[in-house]
Amino acid sequence: AQSVTQLDSQVPVFEEAPVELRCNYSSSVSVYLFWYVQYPNQGLQLLLKYLSGSTLVKSINGFEAEFNKSQTSFHLRKPSVHISDTAEYFCAVSDTGGYQKVTFGTGTKLQVIP
Amino acid sequence: NAGVTQTPKFQVLKTGQSMTLQCAQDMNHEYMSWYRQDPGMGLRLIHYSVGAGITDQGEVPNGYNVSRSTTEDFPLRLLSAAPSQTSVYFCASSRDRRSYNSPLHFGNGTRLTVT
Repeated sequence: AQSVTQLDSQVPVFEEAPVELRCNYSSSVSVYLFWYVQYPNQGLQLLLKYLSGSTLVKSINGFEAEFNKSQTSFHLRKPSVHISDTAEYFCAVSDTGGYQKVTFGTGTKLQVIP
Repeated sequence: NAGVTQTPKFQVLKTGQSMTLQCAQDMNHEYMSWYRQDPGMGLRLIHYSVGAGITDQGEVPNGYNVSRSTTEDFPLRLLSAAPSQTSVYFCASSRDRRSYNSPLHFGNGTRLTVT
C-alpha cells in the first residue's frame, strides 16, 4: 500500500513570488508520481508526472517537480506565480506494477494574492 | 469530444433513498473509476473498472454498487443513502488501465447532500 502526505492545506502567496508545494509519499515498492490541479468547480487535470529517468519534470505552464527518492518527496515549484494559478493541487502516487489505483494526497489550496 | 460527463451536477437526498450517479465518456477509454472528495481527505477510490463487464472495489466501496455494461458508461448506485455519503463524487477515465501510459480524465463532479 502507498500513501501521500501534503502537509500544507493552504498556501497564500503574492503574485510573481515563488512557491513550493510539498509532497511526501510512502511506499514499499517503486512508484509513479503525479501532480494534478483542480480549478474551482472543475474536475482534476494532470499537471505533470514522474515515471522514470530525469528526476526533474516540468509542465507547460511553468511548474516543475523534482523526485527525490532518498527523501521520498515530490515537491512542486514555480518561480513566479500568476493569479490564474489559484487552484487546489493534488499530489498522487501509483505503484509501477498495477492498475490505475492512484492514491491522492489531501490537496493544497494555492491562493495567489494580487 | 465531450470528455467525461457526469449527471446530475447537484443532488439532495433523504436518508434511505437510493439514486444513481451517471458517468459517460466518449473517448473509448478502457479504464473508469469513481472517487469521492471530502474536505481534508483528498480523493478516495470507491470502485473501478478495467473494461466492460469487469469491476472491482477501491478503498471505500461500502454502500455503493457499480456495473459496466458498455465501454462508455459507468454508473454509481447508492443503495440506501446515509449522511456519511454527503460528498463530491468524481468519475475519471483513462485510455489505459496502467497509470504510466495515460493520465486520468475527470468529470466536473456531482455534489451530493444527504439529509
